[in-house]
Amino acid sequence: NAGVTQTPKFRVLKTGQSMTLLCAQDMNHEYMYWYRQDPGMGLRLIHYSVGEGTTAKGEVPDGYNVSRLKKQNFLLGLESAAPSQTSVYFCASSYPPTRRPYEQYFGPGTRLTVT
Amino acid sequence: GNSVTQMEGPVTLSEEAFLTINCTYTATGYPSLFWYVQYPGEGLQLLLKATKADDKGSNKGFEATYRKETTSFHLEKGSVQVSDSAVYFCALSHGDFGNEKLTFGTGTRLTIIP
Repeated sequence: NAGVTQTPKFRVLKTGQSMTLLCAQDMNHEYMYWYRQDPGMGLRLIHYSVGEGTTAKGEVPDGYNVSRLKKQNFLLGLESAAPSQTSVYFCASSYPPTRRPYEQYFGPGTRLTVT
Repeated sequence: GNSVTQMEGPVTLSEEAFLTINCTYTATGYPSLFWYVQYPGEGLQLLLKATKADDKGSNKGFEATYRKETTSFHLEKGSVQVSDSAVYFCALSHGDFGNEKLTFGTGTRLTIIP
């Protein structure tokens, strides 16, 4: 049982390049989330998904796209990377919040640097 | 809006010292409150939680009490160990039942010296 895994662990991009971050979970969770973590800002929600084939915007969605084609995978895309997207990205998953206790399970993170 | 304010870090303590990390919140309604911990090189893990006023969450020697009157959820441990070195995040859940999201504080880095 691997929990939540993220690929890659580190990446350096040049401004304007594109990339996709992959998140996978093996806990059969319906909900999945993408956060970014910046110094002094805590974690901020980028996008989330409440089930296969669905996505929704979070607090800071601009510049990112997501897809949830399979229940176990949640992809985060940067079409044209900008230095402001330099951050650590965390994926998380959970059962629906109606199911108690409500807890999100996090992956180990992806450190992205855009030069 | 909903927000969480955490004690600024970093915090450095000697082994066996008493730990307090302050957390206060602003929220509408009655949020659940959480402490998450992030060990070096790992993702966040739930440390403890409390779902209503006066509840005490506890785990691994850590405790936090949901204080509605002071809108606080301070994390405490009586005797810290080197293995407690990590970043600690306070968080609250908000939103309609079944549609909650988490709002996190900025995190407090804790270093324990042998």
